Amino acid sequence: DAKTTQPPSMDCAEGRAANLPCNHSTISGNEYVYWYRQIHSQGPQYIIHGLKNNETNEMASLIITEDRKSSTLILPHATLRDTAVYYCIVSLGGSQGNLIFGKGTKLSVKP
Amino acid sequence: DAGITQSPRYKITETGRQVTLMCHQTWSHSYMFWYRQDLGHGLRLIYYSAAADITDKGEVPDGYVVSRSKTENFPLTLESATRSQTSVYFCASIRDRGDEQFFGPGTRLTVL
Repeated sequence: DAKTTQPPSMDCAEGRAANLPCNHSTISGNEYVYWYRQIHSQGPQYIIHGLKNNETNEMASLIITEDRKSSTLILPHATLRDTAVYYCIVSLGGSQGNLIFGKGTKLSVKP
Repeated sequence: DAGITQSPRYKITETGRQVTLMCHQTWSHSYMFWYRQDLGHGLRLIYYSAAADITDKGEVPDGYVVSRSKTENFPLTLESATRSQTSVYFCASIRDRGDEQFFGPGTRLTVL
């Protein structure tokens, strides 16, 4: 079973920030939080990952709470092309960590 | 082109037939994975491979066979296809000590 809990769906207006929450209360100290997304019918695409500190890259920001029991993925300026299913995954990381996908959050970006 | 490719992209077969899904990557990544995705579910790991000639079972390996004679190829075989194996199959790879799994475009398999 997935070790994360995400809302099944969310809406966001185009151009606004999309904030996708994830609960992972049973995360262990050496596990990372990964985010992937899957645009309709395509293979999943890596977005970002983090251990303790907040992370930012060209796609998104990842905010992890101090107790590491939850995190938020932020897409700063959502576009229609960001409409996808977003998966929050807890994993040991890299080749040691097989990814266990839950059902994710279906994000719909609306004009 | 560099990347990870899967073939065929679509396949229809009948119950009891043998089917092989191909996965090829051009990066020489050590690790490769096979997942299946069923309607309304996330991806589930079938098998993975740490290197040529090293394979291991994932969450749902029953009914599948894999091999890895060359680093770049990781074929998945359904020895006797069943209707319950109708699914979309994704192959992925990751470089040694890497963080990001790269996924192929998927193979949509229908077993009648």
